[in-house]
Amino acid sequence: QSALTQPASVSGSPGQSITISCTGTSSDVGGYNHVSWYQQQPGKVPKVIIYDVSSRPSGLSSRFSGSKSGDTASLTISGLQAEDEADYYCSSYTSSNTWVFGGGTKLTVL
Amino acid sequence: QVQMAQSGSEVKEPGSSVKVSCKATGGTFSSYAFSWVRQAPGQGLEWVGGIIPMVGKPNYGRKFQDRVTITADESTTTVYMDLRSLRAEDTAVYYCARAGKLWFGELLGKWFDPWGQGTLVTVSS
Repeated sequence: QSALTQPASVSGSPGQSITISCTGTSSDVGGYNHVSWYQQQPGKVPKVIIYDVSSRPSGLSSRFSGSKSGDTASLTISGLQAEDEADYYCSSYTSSNTWVFGGGTKLTVL
Repeated sequence: QVQMAQSGSEVKEPGSSVKVSCKATGGTFSSYAFSWVRQAPGQGLEWVGGIIPMVGKPNYGRKFQDRVTITADESTTTVYMDLRSLRAEDTAVYYCARAGKLWFGELLGKWFDPWGQGTLVTVSS
């Protein structure tokens, strides 16, 4: 199972919106609505911020949203804040009953 | 509310094995799916494999299936990952995470939450 494809880095200024893409295949992202996104601050444990493509855990800011079109899922963060600076990973369930992660995207808030 | 507590850091020589444990407390252990995910220094997340204790049959990532064994002990609500023939590239933080719940034969909640605190495995001679 090949890793999902994410951009290595994205950046934005406070208040702006950014979108991180996550491209897979029909055997993972395109075939299931089981895409999730994780935020990892330096030295911390990853934290789920989006599950099942577009659902947010209870208490998570509505600034985070997810979507999917075909084999590509996307994470959008609106109203960027300095605290959003972190690494972001997508993950998808697959047709082999396994999971696959993206390579990760480093978000820099300028 | 499920919480996971992992065993401590390990230093191993190349060619040896390491067994990392993850004790889950709270919730219904047997019906949960548990996964192991690793992260090499400065690198991304990589799915190693997983198990549903009630089912017992683990699934492994293709890269690891010749070298890893994942087991679950329902009596102690602990999941284990045994990685053999260690090499320097296996140096990583290994996380356990809950990855869903079996409900009437269907796996619900196919995302990773919560996570254990991570166990650093260093492979060095």
